[in-house]
Amino acid sequence: VIWMTQSPSLLSASTGDRVTISCRMSQGISSYLAWYQQKPGKAPELLIYAASTLQSGVPSRFSGSGSGTDFTLTISCLQSEDFATYYCQQYYSFPLFGPGTKVDIK
Amino acid sequence: QITLKESGPTLVKPTQTLTLTCTFSGFSLSTSGVGVGWIRQPPGKALEWLALIYWDDDKRYSPSLKSRLTITKDTSKNQVVLTMTNMDPVDTATYYCAHRLDLAAAVYFDYWGQGTLVTVSS
Repeated sequence: VIWMTQSPSLLSASTGDRVTISCRMSQGISSYLAWYQQKPGKAPELLIYAASTLQSGVPSRFSGSGSGTDFTLTISCLQSEDFATYYCQQYYSFPLFGPGTKVDIK
Repeated sequence: QITLKESGPTLVKPTQTLTLTCTFSGFSLSTSGVGVGWIRQPPGKALEWLALIYWDDDKRYSPSLKSRLTITKDTSKNQVVLTMTNMDPVDTATYYCAHRLDLAAAVYFDYWGQGTLVTVSS
């Protein structure tokens, strides 16, 4: 079983900040990684897949990078609508979600 | 336009079997590459993938829950059904169905239903 960690678990930031969230695997998964955004009471939304491909309709301030065991989601200029919880999801043998990172207002 | 919607009981008793239905539109589960999955989220906790069914009736299950889950499809009705046996209070969660992004062998979910909260309590 692949173990996943996300850091930080809670990130306090201000609008306009550059924000970075990390997702780390216990073993390499090539580029089989996605990032989702979830707002309270809502379903998750796909932001990034295949580690760095922006899903259609997602603002370009979101970007993803990494391969193997270490991945990063970056929000270049945080907007008010970006305060949410972010999950990474790997697909190596079966889909597995990370524990989440909550981005709240500083 | 792809939409999915979950339906089923909001309350089940311990040891009972849960049956959830995902009714979708905007795609066909008879089209090559298409898949529909189920994911759940206990209150205040992270997402957990449960099961996935493909257009060719290939089925995949979470290893930790495989013995309790069954996923089926009715292509003519545009529905996917998930059953989970021997429900326990720890299974209390919002259950989502989602459309698999058609991208080679990978599994990512690009369209989600609104979710349905299922509470397990006597």
